[in-house]
Amino acid sequence: AQSVTQLDSHVSVSEGTPVLLRCNYSSSYSPSLFWYVQHPNKGLQLLLKYTSAATLVKGINGFEAEFKKSETSFHLTKPSAHMSDAAEYFCVVRSFGNEKLTFGTGTRLTIIP
Amino acid sequence: NAGVTQTPKFQVLKTGQSMTLQCAQDMNHEYMSWYRQDPGMGLRLIHYSVGAGITDQGEVPNGYNVSRSTTEDFPLRLLSAAPSQTSVYFCASRTITPSILQAANYGYTFGSGTRLTVV
Repeated sequence: AQSVTQLDSHVSVSEGTPVLLRCNYSSSYSPSLFWYVQHPNKGLQLLLKYTSAATLVKGINGFEAEFKKSETSFHLTKPSAHMSDAAEYFCVVRSFGNEKLTFGTGTRLTIIP
Repeated sequence: NAGVTQTPKFQVLKTGQSMTLQCAQDMNHEYMSWYRQDPGMGLRLIHYSVGAGITDQGEVPNGYNVSRSTTEDFPLRLLSAAPSQTSVYFCASRTITPSILQAANYGYTFGSGTRLTVV
């Protein structure tokens, strides 16, 4: 079985300040973990993915995430928020050998000018 | 390179009507899937396919049919639309060859979505 919990449904930060979006997961087997971003009325774009290589994963647009097995976490961070980062973010897990993706319920990120 | 193409982008149906949501990919991906997105619930898997002629149910398959006659296409059929099927539908694909271990490194490509309203 696999599941994902996004701990915050809504996060607001000021432009230029750090962003932290929290994600905890559970998985029976070696997981692959993904962060996707969805801008309003748009499809989903892959930000970054963890697939058992380096635990610190760098993605597009300055985002990165750290896989912590002991804490079963995969939090998404960015040092300095930009107005264009305002969107919905989804943490996603997939167990090894299983094609099914399990999505978190999403975190809406608002950037305050 | 078009990636994953979904049509139509918007659709309004009356209760009881049937229709087909189209999904096509030009990346020769073996795996294709359909998800629905509802507010506060993330995306949930409806059906998926690991190759032509092979389909399986996901988390919320009731009221939907799929078939996979070619590698490129994976249509989703609503047999008798209900208001509960009002949602945004996404198609996703990825490669799963040459091996499961290597395929773990490949991400999924999503279409831009179909917004369906059933009245």
